[in-house]
Amino acid sequence: EADIYQTPRYLVIGTGKKITLECSQTMGHDKMYWYQQDPGMELHLIHYSYGVNSTEKGDLSSESTVSRIRTEHFPLTLESARPSHTSQYLCASSLAGSSYEQYFGPGTRLTVT
Amino acid sequence: AQSVAQPEDQVNVAEGNPLTVKCTYSVSGNPYLFWYVQYPNRGLQFLLKYITGDNLVKGSYGFEAEFNKSQTSFHLKKPSALVSDSALYFCAVRGSGSARQLTFGSGTQLTVLP
Repeated sequence: EADIYQTPRYLVIGTGKKITLECSQTMGHDKMYWYQQDPGMELHLIHYSYGVNSTEKGDLSSESTVSRIRTEHFPLTLESARPSHTSQYLCASSLAGSSYEQYFGPGTRLTVT
Repeated sequence: AQSVAQPEDQVNVAEGNPLTVKCTYSVSGNPYLFWYVQYPNRGLQFLLKYITGDNLVKGSYGFEAEFNKSQTSFHLKKPSALVSDSALYFCAVRGSGSARQLTFGSGTQLTVLP
């Protein structure tokens, strides 16, 4: 099992609420990623980071924001949740360099009512 | 541009039979290729990767994959399937020297029947 953690695992929240999904890794990886995945479907990269104070938008446009103040921590925030944000959110990390595999957390399943 | 195709949404195989999950790719430069597995309500687990060298790559849980440059394929294989292998499998690619991040395929649901 990889040393990458996500909380909460499940979240049901009402429309308009602000939420933060937590992701932490203890492997000292420089690169971290957030993916959005509908159940049983493909992964879409929404944010990534090369290191502290570095954040980039991914291939899929997202209304969420991220921050990277510490190497081990890469939280994702939704300022105002909507039903269209209902999905699974997967956090991953890797060493720098194209050839390194990514290690994934268990995911947060978000439902916005 | 880089892309990955997993042509089969679903693969069914009997326990004890060999299994193959197909993947083809398109990328600029040399490819870095990966296979991941996802069990229900879990994140993805890394199985194996091809970076360079031997075209046959061995990975976790008895899985292996064969890189074929001329056919731009990287099919996942296992000689004898187990019921516990039933899961969702993703192929992913990134071009060496590319600024692009990893691109994942759409996934193949493998069901091993007892």
